[in-house]
Amino acid sequence: DADVTQTPRNRITKTGKRIMLECSQTKGHDRMYWYRQDPGLGLRLIYYSFDVKDINKGEISDGYSVSRQAQAKFSLSLESAIPNQTALYFCATSEVRGGRETQYFGPGTRLLVL
Amino acid sequence: QKEVEQDPGPLSVPEGAIVSLNCTYSNSAFQYFMWYRQYSRKGPELLMYTYSSGNKEDGRFTAQVDKSSKYISLFIRDSQPSDSATYLCAMSVTDKLIFGTGTRLQVFP
Repeated sequence: DADVTQTPRNRITKTGKRIMLECSQTKGHDRMYWYRQDPGLGLRLIYYSFDVKDINKGEISDGYSVSRQAQAKFSLSLESAIPNQTALYFCATSEVRGGRETQYFGPGTRLLVL
Repeated sequence: QKEVEQDPGPLSVPEGAIVSLNCTYSNSAFQYFMWYRQYSRKGPELLMYTYSSGNKEDGRFTAQVDKSSKYISLFIRDSQPSDSATYLCAMSVTDKLIFGTGTRLQVFP
């Protein structure tokens, strides 16, 4: 089984709808992240969480919210979807060893907002 | 100016070629340097990391860091069609991890 899973894998929605993307991990990591990936822009950080009670905004948090329900679960919500939120979304976990952080990514959710 | 710059490609090479992928950065505080590989419709996965200037070799892959020039490279020897993917450089300091935009590589038979 995959260590980091994302649901759904693909989603088509309409402008104005609220949607939730879910992420679960079995790696036992405290740190979890949500990124979006767009052609030519690379990976951009939306939100991150270093433990269940810790939520931090990334560089592009406007229009998004998150919930860390448990160590293993981190959900991303689009409150009112708009077309420029069409992108590939990745959840990641990370571990830090000897000062070096390694991130482990889920398979991604492809979102299309019409 | 972006903290990390990476040529987006695409880079198309014949099987067996030596491939050079590069990133430059502006933040001299970066301590760790990584290369992630992302296959189509998959999430990125860590390929190599290094934290000091010089070369680190792993099979057909060599990661090179030049801190004085703020430049890192990934070399792939004897490239294979299975190496076709997007390669992202990443750099970190303390709790901050910054990714490059990725270079798409196509190795044709």
